[in-house]
Amino acid sequence: GAVVSQHPSRVICKSGTSVKIECRSLDFQATTMFWYRQFPKQSLMLMATSNEGSKATYEQGVEKDKFLINHASLTLSTLTVTSAHPEDSSFYICSARDDKNNSPLHFGNGTRLTVT
Amino acid sequence: SQQGEEDPQALSIQEGENATMNCSYKTSINNLQWYRQNSGRGLVHLILIRSNEREKHSGRLRVTLDTSKKSSSLLITASRAADTASYFCATGADSWGKLQFGAGTQVVVTP
Repeated sequence: GAVVSQHPSRVICKSGTSVKIECRSLDFQATTMFWYRQFPKQSLMLMATSNEGSKATYEQGVEKDKFLINHASLTLSTLTVTSAHPEDSSFYICSARDDKNNSPLHFGNGTRLTVT
Repeated sequence: SQQGEEDPQALSIQEGENATMNCSYKTSINNLQWYRQNSGRGLVHLILIRSNEREKHSGRLRVTLDTSKKSSSLLITASRAADTASYFCATGADSWGKLQFGAGTQVVVTP
């Protein structure tokens, strides 16, 4: 079945540094990917829609300069948390839509970010 | 913003029992999907029901959709310990893929 690989699965960084999270579709092409954020015991909050070859579309209240999204190829989207602060600590999950298959979204296994 | 509200927030049952959880949403939808999430992991797609469908089955799962009440239910029959997870409903306004997730129901199945 279709697989979405998200890397790293866990990352700890210091305040003020930037962290890049990768989301790869391994056996399908994805023009569109989505980035979510999830706090403990809470739901997933859609942060942005990542579009290959164009600018990402951010949801209301999500700072685009804080959460940089780059979707440079049909199989890779990256989310960079810039100048991270402890309040950015969260679980980040990506999902990808298969361009050729009208199927439900495929989700990565998430990245646990801890900012100290 | 969160689209769906789920009920109950938490559910604790014994193996063999059925688990029912409900989801309500606010806006018009193209489809409604249910996902499962094991602790600290990504989401696993369970079932999708389109707005013109009323009921759908997949193995031990049964999903209903009532668009007049803007609500859906997920029934897991003959639950197993391995069903322990959080379950989320998600609504799609179009077939394009953008989803809004509900708050989730945490299900614990004890042997």
